[in-house]
Amino acid sequence: DSGVTQTPKHLITATGQRVTLRCSPRSGDLSVYWYQQSLDQGLQFLIQYYNGEERAKGNILERFSAQQFPDLHSELNLSSLELGDSALYFCASSVSGRIQETQYFGPGTRLLVL
Amino acid sequence: GESVGLHLPTLSVQEGDNSIINCAYSNSASDYFIWYKQESGKGPQFIIDIRSNMDKRQGQRVTVLLNKTVKHLSLQIAATQPGDSAVYFCAENIGQAGTALIFGKGTTLSVSS
Repeated sequence: DSGVTQTPKHLITATGQRVTLRCSPRSGDLSVYWYQQSLDQGLQFLIQYYNGEERAKGNILERFSAQQFPDLHSELNLSSLELGDSALYFCASSVSGRIQETQYFGPGTRLLVL
Repeated sequence: GESVGLHLPTLSVQEGDNSIINCAYSNSASDYFIWYKQESGKGPQFIIDIRSNMDKRQGQRVTVLLNKTVKHLSLQIAATQPGDSAVYFCAENIGQAGTALIFGKGTTLSVSS
């Protein structure tokens, strides 16, 4: 158990809908990362937050957005969902988000868009 | 595209054998490398990391080797056990554009007893 929690574990929804994925980092960690894992693209970085502020952006679609709240939990919002958004979404956290710092991953949310 | 890749998508070994999982990276600016293990239905689990100023690092039953000359990374697992069966990913951090990890596609290790 990494100490990172994610809810829900599974999510089934329809195209065009909007969902929110939630992540709580390890106790003491200030930085949160979101990754998407799909069969064809592998694990891809989406976005990083540090202490409530966006720090880095990766291959995140404009239909997706995220935020980190004062209590340091983070939410990833996916809107206008398409079939291709079906994937595993992982949250990771690290102490301060610095380079060469270990990122610990949560168990993931499996999203299925029908 | 991906800057980190693995040589083999699958590796099958017998229990007790030593396993070697290889990874090639293309960005010479990468300065931090990590190996993760992902079991079915779970998130990636940190195994071991190495910084670019090191050639070798050892953990419990695992060793990571870094060859910067040929941009190659390997994970050696000693006395492989059935519980080691999983997908292994190498990841790199180039130290730019934030601290995102770039993952390879993974090698599936199957250990038979």
